[in-house]
Amino acid sequence: NAGVTQTPKFQVLKTGQSMTLQCAQDMNHEYMSWYRQDPGMGLRLIHYSVGAGITDQGEVPNGYNVSRSTTEDFPLRLLSAAPSQTSVYFCASSLIGTIDYNEQFFGPGTRLTVL
Amino acid sequence: DQQVKQNSPSLSVQEGRISILNCDYTNSMFDYFLWYKKYPAEGPTFLISISSIKDKNEDGRFTVFLNKSAKHLSLHIVPSQPGDSAVYFCAASARDSGTYKYIFGTGTRLKVLA
Repeated sequence: NAGVTQTPKFQVLKTGQSMTLQCAQDMNHEYMSWYRQDPGMGLRLIHYSVGAGITDQGEVPNGYNVSRSTTEDFPLRLLSAAPSQTSVYFCASSLIGTIDYNEQFFGPGTRLTVL
Repeated sequence: DQQVKQNSPSLSVQEGRISILNCDYTNSMFDYFLWYKKYPAEGPTFLISISSIKDKNEDGRFTVFLNKSAKHLSLHIVPSQPGDSAVYFCAASARDSGTYKYIFGTGTRLKVLA
């Protein structure tokens, strides 16, 4: 299993450009999510999904769109990049249910710089 | 309004001693708590979890304690090793409410001195 994969690893954008961060998992996990990590802010939830066709907003959703057409993929779209979106982005996935050790598996991250 | 708080940004401990990392939460709906470890330039990796029906969970050198009345959890690492040096995040979720949002704290950087 590849686990959770993210592409690209690094990206530089100009203000106003759009792009899509890709995330895929091969563990048949229902739950997928996107976080951004900023210094002193920890990991903040952007959007999440509990299954194909179902998405919801997290703590900091503004400026980002998501869709979930398949179980495996959960892309994050920046419609018009702003310098405030400079961050490291992590995708994660997990099973759903009230079971023990229901942890999220994280991808390696995408480091995005918006000039 | 931060629902999960880690008030110590950093902690230094001698090798072989106990490391205690603390986490407080405000949302009484949280019923599942996790600790993650993160090395630079990598994604967080799961360490240990605890559900709200328990007050302690152990896995090798790692033990998590949950005090629901104080809305406080802690991670104990005994004995601490230099390889434990990393940033530790606590996270909480309200699984029984069906939302499945995982809310993370701001992290504590642990440095284990050889």
